[in-house]
Parts: sequence; C-alpha cells; structure tokens
Amino acid sequence: GQQLNQSPQSMFIQEGEDVSMNCTSSSIFNTWLWYKQDPGEGPVLLIALYKAGELTSNGRLTAQFGITRKDSFLNISASIPSDVGIYFCAGQYYGGSQGNLIFGKGTKLSVKP
Amino acid sequence: SQTIHQWPATLVQPVGSPLSLECTVEGTSNPNLYWYRQAAGRGLQLLFYSVGIGQISSEVPQNLSASRPQDRQFILSSKKLLLSDSGFYLCAWSLGQGNEQYFGPGTRLTVT
Repeated sequence: GQQLNQSPQSMFIQEGEDVSMNCTSSSIFNTWLWYKQDPGEGPVLLIALYKAGELTSNGRLTAQFGITRKDSFLNISASIPSDVGIYFCAGQYYGGSQGNLIFGKGTKLSVKP
Repeated sequence: SQTIHQWPATLVQPVGSPLSLECTVEGTSNPNLYWYRQAAGRGLQLLFYSVGIGQISSEVPQNLSASRPQDRQFILSSKKLLLSDSGFYLCAWSLGQGNEQYFGPGTRLTVT
C-alpha cells in the first residue's frame, strides 16, 4: 500500500531553535496535512496544503507542498517548550479514495536535556 | 462550531470480553466518520470509515466491527477482545469533499 516516509523520527530542541521535518512519498499526493499530537490526546490539525508549491504559515509554523507533489515539509521557528509533541504528516495520494488519508509515522519533538 | 466526543476515555477489559466505543459529532451534518487505532503513540492505522448512515468500509481485516446508527454517531465494537486489540482508538470526522480530518480525544483501551 501507499506509504509516507517521515523524518526525522525524533529530535531534541532547545528553546529558540528552528526545527524542520519532512515527508516524502513515491506517489503523487493531492493533499498534504500536518498534525500535532500531545500525549494522551487526539491529533490537532495545524496546516492543510492543497496545491503544489503552496507555502502556508500558521503562527511560527510554515509548511510547503512540494513542487513534485511527492513531498512536504514543516518548519517551526523559534521553538518553545510547548512545541514538544509528535508531529504527523498526512496526505491523500492521487487516485486514492476521497477523504482517506495516509499518515506518516511521526516526528517526536523533545526538549534537549 | 463542530465538536467531536469519544466515550469512554479509558477502558480496561479482559480478553474475550465484548467492546463498544462511541463517537459522536456535533455541529455538522452528514460528516464522513473514521476509526483509527494508534499503537505506542505512533502510526495511525485506519480501521473503518463511513460516508453515511449504515455505510461502513473496512480497511483492514480484524477482530473489530463498526456501525453508524445515526448521522453523527459512530460505534466501534468487538464480540471478543484479543490482547492485540489494546491501543489508542481515535475517531475523526471530515466534510464530504474535504480531506481535512478532525480528531476526537481518543479512547485508551487496555486488554488484559
């Protein structure tokens, strides 16, 4: 089946640092979504992207829909402690069932000790 | 505004016992509804989705079933739980032609 490769799997952040993560696929996607999940809670939608090349911001978060339609990245600028959590990319690949998303395995953000 | 509820929040059940998890959505009509399972805080696996009352599609063969008795109610069931059914179960909704899915708070199921 379709798979998304999300990297890195985990990373440590120090307050004030910028963070970057990305997702890639071997298939063309027509939608990319980015979610954040806090422990014990459901994922929360951060950013939705629908057009190749689209660059969208939500506060300190910026995400882009890759030109090839096979990748997307999420940047967090000037990280703060509450940015800790697991970030998931999700997408609908071209030809997939409407509304059915494929999820990456997540990037776990932790505070640098 | 739309809200999504899941009940119960946590559940501990013995192997072989039945299961019923409920999801309800408020503030929207005719949503698409989804059940996911998440193991070990990672990786969401789509279990079932529904585009309308009584319409259920299963994504993976398993020990679980789903039903949609009302427009905004989605139920996940099992007749006999297995140890491997333990996990974090998430319900989500989306509007017909949109791909943005909105998740509920989840149910933590532990099968002992």
